[in-house]
Amino acid sequence: NAGVMQNPRHLVRRRGQEARLRCSPMKGHSHVYWYRQLPEEGLKFMVYLQKENIIDESGMPKERFSAEFPKEGPSILRIQQVVRGDSAAYFCASSPSANEQFFGPGTRLTVL
Amino acid sequence: GENVEQHPSTLSVQEGDSAVIKCTYSDSASNYFPWYKQELGKRPQLIIDIRSNVGEKKDQRIAVTLNKTAKHFSLHITETQPEDSAVYFCAASPTDSWGKLQFGAGTQVVVTP
Repeated sequence: NAGVMQNPRHLVRRRGQEARLRCSPMKGHSHVYWYRQLPEEGLKFMVYLQKENIIDESGMPKERFSAEFPKEGPSILRIQQVVRGDSAAYFCASSPSANEQFFGPGTRLTVL
Repeated sequence: GENVEQHPSTLSVQEGDSAVIKCTYSDSASNYFPWYKQELGKRPQLIIDIRSNVGEKKDQRIAVTLNKTAKHFSLHITETQPEDSAVYFCAASPTDSWGKLQFGAGTQVVVTP
């Protein structure tokens, strides 16, 4: 059973560009969570999704950020018009139920 | 909302000694408390978790204790080894939070040979 997959692992964008981060949950997991980790800091919750539904987006900035988890395919975190402050590691986690979460390897976003 | 505080921020121990990390939480509705280990540049890995209906759980050299009355929980690592060196995060999840985790700030553990 493959673990949580994320791609790309590293992403470099210039200010103003768009960043798309993908997450494929573990097989059988229908709950997906996105977290952001700034350098030498803890993980901050952003959004919780189930297939085709956003359940809780209370941790996601209101502007420029969006997330989806379509019926087919990976979950996508999209950041429009990136700024330097968006530079961070973005982790997704999946869970078979609401609790035990397994993390992917993360996408390290660098905004130039 | 839930607020989790974690202490200490750094912990240096001699190989073979024990390490203890403590976390407090604010939301009495929290009922799930996982611990994650994160090595430099790697993903957080779930190492142990505890639910609010038990007070202690052990897995080989790792144990977690929970005091619901005082709203704190602790991670204990016995017979530490150099490969235990990492950042450890505690987290809490309230029953009405849809499973989202509120993380502590992390503890950098360094095990010296």
